Amino acid sequence: DAKTTQPPSMDCAEGRAANLPCNHSTISGNEYVYWYRQIHSQGPQYIIHGLKNNETNEMASLIITEDRKSSTLILPHATLRDTAVYYCIVRAPRQTGANNLFFGTGTRLTVIP
Amino acid sequence: GAVVSQHPSRVICKSGTSVKIECRSLDFQATTMFWYRQFPKQSLMLMATSNEGSKATYEQGVEKDKFLINHASLTLSTLTVTSAHPEDSSFYICSARGQGRGEKLFFGSGTQLSVL
Repeated sequence: DAKTTQPPSMDCAEGRAANLPCNHSTISGNEYVYWYRQIHSQGPQYIIHGLKNNETNEMASLIITEDRKSSTLILPHATLRDTAVYYCIVRAPRQTGANNLFFGTGTRLTVIP
Repeated sequence: GAVVSQHPSRVICKSGTSVKIECRSLDFQATTMFWYRQFPKQSLMLMATSNEGSKATYEQGVEKDKFLINHASLTLSTLTVTSAHPEDSSFYICSARGQGRGEKLFFGSGTQLSVL
């Protein structure tokens, strides 16, 4: 799996958009970008994933650069409940060997009232 | 969305005892389940991968005789920490990937194990 780089921490004011960056400069053509988040003392929660095109769902938007070497997760209106560690993961589908997701250190997002 | 139930959420045990953690997929059949361990302020580390009806595959450094994994059905996997010691105290999380569910993994809520 391609390695990802994320800032260790970020703050965001409540009600504002939270933009979480992720660098994955070694991403391969068949690797997807996944975002998960983990609220304290809970299991990770799936947010969104994409390959090339930008994606949007009820939780967030995912913007992938044209060269696919970086992406940004956007929480349009952050709430206090969005405070969590956000993980950006890239992997190819149905890889041989471990089909797990490799979790790096993620970005600890703190939403401030 | 798909639901993965993990039980218990918290367990405290004496050193030397065994603890079993259950992971159930409630509304889908999980062909593959993964067990992770997470120490405070650290990321998730994969311990093992289990496929229904076959032996689990353990990551390097994880003792298979200490962390027994059983995936006897398409909806249940169990992790048994045998002869637990204080250094086994950690947050254990399971996840499942189901048939027809694409590449997304669904995670349980985790089990906080404290060994006294």
